[in-house]
Order: sequence, then C-alpha cells, then structure tokens
Amino acid sequence: DVQLVESGGGLVPPGGSVRLSCAASGFSFSTSWMSWVRQAPGKGLEWVANIKEDGSEKYYVDSVKGRFTISRDNAKNSLYLQMNSLRAEDTAFYYCVREVVAATHAFDPWGQGILVTVSS
Amino acid sequence: VMTQSPLSLPVTPGEPASISCRSSQRLLHSNGYNYVNWYLQKPGQSPQLLIYFGSNRASGVPDRFSGSGSGTDFTLSISRVEAEDVGVYYCMQGLGLPLSFGGGTRVEIK
Repeated sequence: DVQLVESGGGLVPPGGSVRLSCAASGFSFSTSWMSWVRQAPGKGLEWVANIKEDGSEKYYVDSVKGRFTISRDNAKNSLYLQMNSLRAEDTAFYYCVREVVAATHAFDPWGQGILVTVSS
Repeated sequence: VMTQSPLSLPVTPGEPASISCRSSQRLLHSNGYNYVNWYLQKPGQSPQLLIYFGSNRASGVPDRFSGSGSGTDFTLSISRVEAEDVGVYYCMQGLGLPLSFGGGTRVEIK
C-alpha cells in the first residue's frame, strides 16, 4: 500500500521552530518529486514547497521563503520540513504528498496531515 | 489565480453536477496537455486526486467523474451524483510555480 505518514507537529510559540517528518512506503520514494501542502483550519489548500527526486532542486511559496526548508533522505524514505520563525498565519494542517505525475504536479497520495499551531 | 464557481453546490443523487474553474493564465502546455488537476476532500479526510492533465482520471476514480476544458476554462463533471461524492472539490494549476489551488466548491446533498 502506498502510504505517507507525517509526524512532528504540535503547539509552537510565535518565532519558534518545528521540524515535520514524513515516512513514505509502498512506492519508489527516491524517484518521486515530493511536496508539502498546508490547509489552515476550515480554509482551502496552499502549496508550500517541493523537492526533486535527488534533492537538487527545491521550490517554495513566497510566504515561507527564507523561513522553511524542505529536505529529504532517500536512504530513509523520508521527507522533512524545517519551519523557523513561525507566525500565527502558519497555523495549519501540513500534508506530505507525492507528485505522482511530476510534469503537472498531480498529488497522490496525501498523508493524513499533521497540525501545527503557532500560538503563545 | 484559480477561481472556482459555484462556492456551494446542492445536488440531488442521480442527477448530474458540474464545477467550473477559471485560470488567470493559460494552462495549455506546448505539449498539448492542460496542466490542471482536480481533487476531492471528503469530510474529515485528506484530499484525493481525481483528475490530472485536465481530463485524465486518476487510478481508481469512478468513470462518472470527468474533466474537460482548455486554456483558461475548465470543468469537472459528475454524470450521476452519489451520496459518497459530497465534500469540497479543488482545482489546481500545475503549470507554473508557485502551484496554486482554487478556493474550493462544497458539494452537498439536497
């Protein structure tokens, strides 16, 4: 079964940091582009960042550039999102997704999502 | 910018339904494919891929779902709505970065 499982979320103070992890199984992780997508509670979807198969290319939405870092460890079939200088507006469910059709960035599957709450 | 309409769509089981998505930029690639994907987020669940390249059904997606359109205007159609189709539908452009989603269309049973 193709599966993505996120971990590492929780309550973080403004200005704080947190690292999300995503464990992948059931597919060839090392040959897949991967992305993070977030969803503020009750709101729509927002793409956050993606990373090429070998980690040589990384792209970010403007609102997180310089604060978030996407990375991967193909030996561990794992994807990460290091989130620094967190703001209240970063509060959201964060989904790890595989780009099953890389050319059009079609996301499948999606993880179950992990909640990051930025609040004092 | 991806703009969806309507925001909310009450539907009757067995009847057809359609959702519109308009892009502020052309999403037709030189290879002939439209770089538009559609997702469904059922209540309490993660989103799931329905359609990619504008009209290709993802694996396991029932054939009552279809995607159409080209350039800047796209449509997701459901030929006969079933109760399990309720949720929020999102279109997404995959042509340029940053990737972006429409605001969503909530489908509910009348």
